Amino acid sequence: QVQLQQWGAGLLKPPETLSLICAVYGGSFNGYYWSWIRQPPGKGLEWIGDINHSGSTNYNPSLKSRVTISIDTSKNHFSLNLSSVTAADTAVYYCARGPVSRITISGVAPVYFDYWGQGTLVTVSS
Amino acid sequence: DIQMTQSPSTLSTSVGDRVTITCRASQSVGSWLAWYQQKPGKAPKLLIYKASTLYSGVPSRFSGSGSGTEFTLTISSLQPDDFAIYYCQQYNTYSTFGQGTKVEIK
Repeated sequence: QVQLQQWGAGLLKPPETLSLICAVYGGSFNGYYWSWIRQPPGKGLEWIGDINHSGSTNYNPSLKSRVTISIDTSKNHFSLNLSSVTAADTAVYYCARGPVSRITISGVAPVYFDYWGQGTLVTVSS
Repeated sequence: DIQMTQSPSTLSTSVGDRVTITCRASQSVGSWLAWYQQKPGKAPKLLIYKASTLYSGVPSRFSGSGSGTEFTLTISSLQPDDFAIYYCQQYNTYSTFGQGTKVEIK
């Protein structure tokens, strides 16, 4: 059974860098994109970006300048860094797995999400 | 960016009712559409992908339909465990979610 377990600092000050790790248990990294998604309190879901087993990344254009997603398959985990955080970045952050079903002509592999981490509340406050 | 709009925002309903939630895309997303259920304090759970494919383990009272820009999620007979927020997600171009539909007890 696949499990995603995530952790990271829950309280940050502007303009620190948010760092989260998601460990993957019980499955292969191949054939999937590994994503980060966030949800501000009481609001909807926003895709942040993703990475595959070889390190190919895609980012939400609205966050691209501040986001870095990396992967370490030897340690079975992938990571999110979001720089220069503000109060607007306060949210529950989720990691998730996305099965690759196709690759577009631009080389992107958009995915749905079948397994999710438990979520980490990150609060940004001065 | 592809915008996803769900309606209604809130649905007050009763156990046993048939429930339909609509999701509209600002441009065609083909059949690259998924539905999720989220309960308070929990991660979303996948219900349906590729517009109409039921995910493993999801009860058959859930069904999805549509293509292009208009999609529906139907719950044939609402059960007590189904009161939750439902989100659609397009994965035709990157990924964007609808704003959610809360299914609450009437």
